[in-house]
Amino acid sequence: DTAVSQTPKYLVTQMGNDKSIKCEQNLGHDTMYWYKQDSKKFLKIMFSYNNKELIINETVPNRFSPKSPDKAHLNLHINSLELGDSAVYFCASSQVGQVTDTQYFGPGTRLTVL
Amino acid sequence: GQNIDQPTEMTATEGAIVQINCTYQTSGFNGLFWYQQHAGEAPTFLSYNVLDGLEEKGRFSSFLSRSKGYSYLLLKELQMKDSASYLCAALDSNYQLIWGAGTKLIIKP
Repeated sequence: DTAVSQTPKYLVTQMGNDKSIKCEQNLGHDTMYWYKQDSKKFLKIMFSYNNKELIINETVPNRFSPKSPDKAHLNLHINSLELGDSAVYFCASSQVGQVTDTQYFGPGTRLTVL
Repeated sequence: GQNIDQPTEMTATEGAIVQINCTYQTSGFNGLFWYQQHAGEAPTFLSYNVLDGLEEKGRFSSFLSRSKGYSYLLLKELQMKDSASYLCAALDSNYQLIWGAGTKLIIKP
């Protein structure tokens, strides 16, 4: 009964490759997010989708492209991977408009670029 | 700019009490969250404050002062499993979460 799931949990790849990370939530939430957590442990918002529409697109390289086929899924595709892309990527979801707007996080995908 | 400040690391003893402080500066304010993150795991929700005062939830309590831009998380009767990072995050006027870097709490026997 996982609320927010991500695959894969670990991803090790060479520089220059293209990879995708998938995220699914079964909470019925309208909003989904992608975060990057670097070695300094800062959580940085990358993208936010509400009902399959992009509402936040922070300053990330255009090598990163989110895709939301439906409101329960938000996938992240990364082209031409670079060493600096190594980090843990978290997917999250929330129901915007509820009092607390609590975000529920997936388990994270640890990406290592060699 | 928007900013969240919290100590990088704290150490406490099992069974004791610890207070983790957080100060925030945001464009507008719609509440303050505390999340717990164990090493290698995802953040999990602990508390949400939007009104001034103390909210108690078992061994954990969270306090907010909107006028001072200040919050703290109070952990009582510390257990070894409380060793984790505690992330403070403020919700700005656009309902975007602004995250602190987290406070790593080390519990010693």
